Amino acid sequence: GNSVTQMEGPVTLSEEAFLTINCTYTATGYPSLFWYVQYPGEGLQLLLKATKADDKGSNKGFEATYRKETTSFHLEKGSVQVSDSAVYFCALTPNSGGYNKLIFGAGTRLAVHP
Amino acid sequence: GAVVSQHPSRVICKSGTSVKIECRSLDFQATTMFWYRQFPKKSLMLMATSNEGSKATYEQGVEKDKFLINHASLTLSTLTVTSAHPEDSSFYICSASPYQSPYEQYFGPGTRLTVT
Repeated sequence: GNSVTQMEGPVTLSEEAFLTINCTYTATGYPSLFWYVQYPGEGLQLLLKATKADDKGSNKGFEATYRKETTSFHLEKGSVQVSDSAVYFCALTPNSGGYNKLIFGAGTRLAVHP
Repeated sequence: GAVVSQHPSRVICKSGTSVKIECRSLDFQATTMFWYRQFPKKSLMLMATSNEGSKATYEQGVEKDKFLINHASLTLSTLTVTSAHPEDSSFYICSASPYQSPYEQYFGPGTRLTVT
């Protein structure tokens, strides 16, 4: 089956610290991988995506590389800001047979302090 | 581009009444729209998938008679929570997939429903 596993939070960091949020997946076929961010009281925003192995998605200083050999898509940022405090969701779409449901991980809450 | 709106953003209703939530794709046509429910500090739970002009496909355990979904056009889907009860209080989020890229979803800002 298809599933996404994220590291449990909350993750608490000081401003300018390095961030890693781990994400691994199981999927049949060749999924597309996504990171979404949810700020308090809001819906989800697409942060970045990768559609095939070795692709690197990047946006707003965040990066994630699609690693097929380790079935991972870890999110990284070199220097976090207080404004990055949010919940981050890793997700996949199986991309097979027109099946376009998003399968989400449990989410990881990030709190960045000044 | 790829903006999805929801209305209302917040609604409070009394137990036993029905509430309608609208989801609109503002700058693209959506072949498929999705409805999710999110409990506090939890991930999103897919409730149903709807395609324009056809009946919605509900996920296992979701009552189709309680959560009525209508996808009347390529830019509008509605979710009606019928005979709402306090346990239906939740954050409801919709998303839409453009027909040009059916494997992508763009999310609305969510609707906070409180049933008293």
